[in-house]
Amino acid sequence: EVQLVQSGAEVKKPGESLKISCKGSGYSFTSYWIGWVRQMPGKGLEWMGIIYPGDSDTRYSPSFQGQVTISADKSISTAYLQWSSLKASDTAMYYCASPGGYSSGPIDYWGQGTLVTVSS
Amino acid sequence: AIRITQSPSSLSASTGDRVTITCRASQGISSYLAWYQQKPGKAPKLLIYAASTLQSGVPSRFSGSGSGTDFTLTISCLQSEDFATYYCQQYYSYPWTFGQGTKVEIK
Repeated sequence: EVQLVQSGAEVKKPGESLKISCKGSGYSFTSYWIGWVRQMPGKGLEWMGIIYPGDSDTRYSPSFQGQVTISADKSISTAYLQWSSLKASDTAMYYCASPGGYSSGPIDYWGQGTLVTVSS
Repeated sequence: AIRITQSPSSLSASTGDRVTITCRASQGISSYLAWYQQKPGKAPKLLIYAASTLQSGVPSRFSGSGSGTDFTLTISCLQSEDFATYYCQQYYSYPWTFGQGTKVEIK
């Protein structure tokens, strides 16, 4: 069974850095794309970007390019989303999500979400 | 980026009603469209992909249609467990984009 398990909720101050994680299991980690989706409080879903852990091919939404970094560590089957300097507007639920082995496919698999709260 | 316009943003319906939600893409996306259901506090769940293919385990009262720029999600006989928010998403080209969502509420 494919599972994506995300790291726990975070509370941070503006200007701090953060890296959240998503561990994949039940499949060949290097063969599935993994992306990130943001959901701000009470709002809709926003696709942030995606990475193919096999060769680190990464695509970003222009809305998030330069604002976050998506990476993956094949050795521990884990994908990451990181910020170098958080803003209050980064407060949101973040989901990792995978379309499986397809670079253009529906999102079959979702993590449980990581709530990030940025407040002074 | 391809813009997806979803309507309505919300609707009220009763159990047993037929419900239709539409998505329009700003350019042709063939059939590269998926529909998701999201309940409060939960991750989205894939209902339909390739515009009209039902994901395994999804009840047959859900159906999807369309291609090119205009797409529809239909719930033929609304059940209590269907009250949720629904999103469409195009995966034709990066950046993938979602519709704004439709909240289906109890009348």
